[in-house]
Amino acid sequence: KAGVTQTPRYLIKTRGQQVTLSCSPISGHRSVSWYQQTPGQGLQFLFEYFSETQRNKGNFPGRFSGRQFSNSRSEMNVSTLELGDSALYLCASSPMDGPSSYEQYFGPGTRLTVT
Amino acid sequence: GNSVTQMEGPVTLSEEAFLTINCTYTATGYPSLFWYVQYPGEGLQLLLKATKADDKGSNKGFEATYRKETTSFHLEKGSVQVSDSAVYFCALRRYHEGRRALTFGSGTRLQVQP
Repeated sequence: KAGVTQTPRYLIKTRGQQVTLSCSPISGHRSVSWYQQTPGQGLQFLFEYFSETQRNKGNFPGRFSGRQFSNSRSEMNVSTLELGDSALYLCASSPMDGPSSYEQYFGPGTRLTVT
Repeated sequence: GNSVTQMEGPVTLSEEAFLTINCTYTATGYPSLFWYVQYPGEGLQLLLKATKADDKGSNKGFEATYRKETTSFHLEKGSVQVSDSAVYFCALRRYHEGRRALTFGSGTRLQVQP
């Protein structure tokens, strides 16, 4: 079974621009979560989606948003980019039921650099 | 709120040495506990897990026991290899209305020398 895929893997943007990152979950997984990883703040939860609805949100400004499609694929968007948004953005998928429903499986991440 | 505290790194060991990475947590209720590993340039891989007190998670020679009395989930391996060099993250998930957000520790870098 293919793992979580994220595109693009690397991205360079300038301040003020916006960016969209994409995540395809493991086949059959319906929950998708996003995390931001930075050297200073570590790994921080952004939001979780399932059934095309945001179910949980971390402590990030409204510039960070996301959505989920009917095939469980998800996108996250960051508007008005700031230098501090430079980070590795990780997507994780989970099954909704079964013995592994509490586990999250991570993709390789998208490395965003804001200049 | 929930929090996870890990020992500061880097931890530098010789091959075949014994490894312990300490992890303690603060959470209400009964969280599930995880160890993830991150190799350079990659995402996180689930290493092992435990869902209730006294559960022992194990995988690839690594072990960790869920100790509710000491709120700990220390990672151990009897004989490390150079290929174990990576960053290790302890994490918890407290079940609340089906939400799956993980709270991570700051990570501990392990360097194994031949």
